[in-house]
Amino acid sequence: DTAVSQTPKYLVTQMGNDKSIKCEQNLGHDTMYWYKQDSKKFLKIMFSYNNKELIINETVPNRFSPKSPDKAHLNLHINSLELGDSAVYFCASSLGMGTGELFFGEGSRLTVL
Amino acid sequence: KNEVEQSPQNLTAQEGEFITINCSYSVGISALHWLQQHPGGGIVSLFMLSSGKKKHGRLIATINIQEKHSSLHITASHPRDSAVYICAAPLVPGSARQLTFGSGTQLTVLP
Repeated sequence: DTAVSQTPKYLVTQMGNDKSIKCEQNLGHDTMYWYKQDSKKFLKIMFSYNNKELIINETVPNRFSPKSPDKAHLNLHINSLELGDSAVYFCASSLGMGTGELFFGEGSRLTVL
Repeated sequence: KNEVEQSPQNLTAQEGEFITINCSYSVGISALHWLQQHPGGGIVSLFMLSSGKKKHGRLIATINIQEKHSSLHITASHPRDSAVYICAAPLVPGSARQLTFGSGTQLTVLP
């Protein structure tokens, strides 16, 4: 069983479209994250969320919004996609408020044309 | 300016060599993470440590809180160790969840 799973793995879309990436974890963790890895392989935190608090990286455009239907899911919705949004997006989870080991999904490669 | 600095950026070694990757950070932290990103892109957590030393198989991670420095060592390196190694630390005061990542060290181990 995959601990943290993301779908889709690959997403190719046109500028201006709206898209979502889904993430699910079956580890019973209470905190989930979205990270963006750019073309230079640099990872940056976008959001972290548990059942009490959403923390947003202030550099993330408000076209990006996390949606959590329950503790095991944290989806990423992106409005009005831009060329610069092309990247690999990683979902992760941990137990505790950042004090636990991170478990990553396999990544979702988004290409905006 | 990234406040988690890794060195070297690239490292090529012969199989069997002892490898050291360094990570320094700018403020006091509660814990530091070492991650491995495989050539296929997947990311695996290797260590999370807040003091001293941790060992897992041929991998050893150390941290010096006073010096704000951590090292990842690989003993008896093997071609399958070829990957990008990334350190990450929570630099935002009061927020252990907001990790700042180093730029990664690309390790290539030749047979």
